[in-house]
Amino acid sequence: KQEVTQIPAALSVPEGENLVLNCSFTDSAIYNLQWFRQDPGKGLTSLLLIQSSQREQTSGRLNASLDKSSGRSTLYIAASQPGDSATYLCAVSGGGATNKLIFGTGTLLAVQP
Amino acid sequence: DAGVTQSPTHLIKTRGQQVTLRCSPKSGHDTVSWYQQALGQGPQFIFQYYEEEERQRGNFPDRFSGHQFPNYSSELNVNALLLGDSALYLCASSRSTNEQFFGPGTRLTVL
Repeated sequence: KQEVTQIPAALSVPEGENLVLNCSFTDSAIYNLQWFRQDPGKGLTSLLLIQSSQREQTSGRLNASLDKSSGRSTLYIAASQPGDSATYLCAVSGGGATNKLIFGTGTLLAVQP
Repeated sequence: DAGVTQSPTHLIKTRGQQVTLRCSPKSGHDTVSWYQQALGQGPQFIFQYYEEEERQRGNFPDRFSGHQFPNYSSELNVNALLLGDSALYLCASSRSTNEQFFGPGTRLTVL
């Protein structure tokens, strides 16, 4: 059974700092991995999707890496801003008959001005 | 292009009641998935609908049921509500098994 873990559960950093969020999964047979952002009480905004054949994806100040063999992904945020404060969720898809997502419990990020 | 929409935004029910949540997928999408997100947790997969059939189901009791209409919109029904059903219910749509896009969610409170 696939399990997804995110560390740390919460993180507080001063504005301008570079930071790394971690995600690990127990079954390396994934189809893709996705990072989401969630503001309090809101839906999910997709940040980056990495296919299983890829090693990383970049969008602006965000960079996500994937190491399938070790069951790990990292989300790197450069030059953090107060507007980056949110919960960041990692999810994996096993592919096959459906593309259901299995989520971690998230990392709550606070960027202090 | 409208994204995924859900209604209502918020809902308050009492234990034992029944509730129906609605989802309209993104244009061009034919698959709808439903997730339950309890406070402080990651979303949990409830089920997925494709071509008006339930394609896969997560570990949820039969009190949770759904439907997909010919226009690909979907409903989630929950019977005999329990306090533990209080959560944010998220709908996601996709084109078959491709990337999923999420709606804003429906916040259900059971008193």
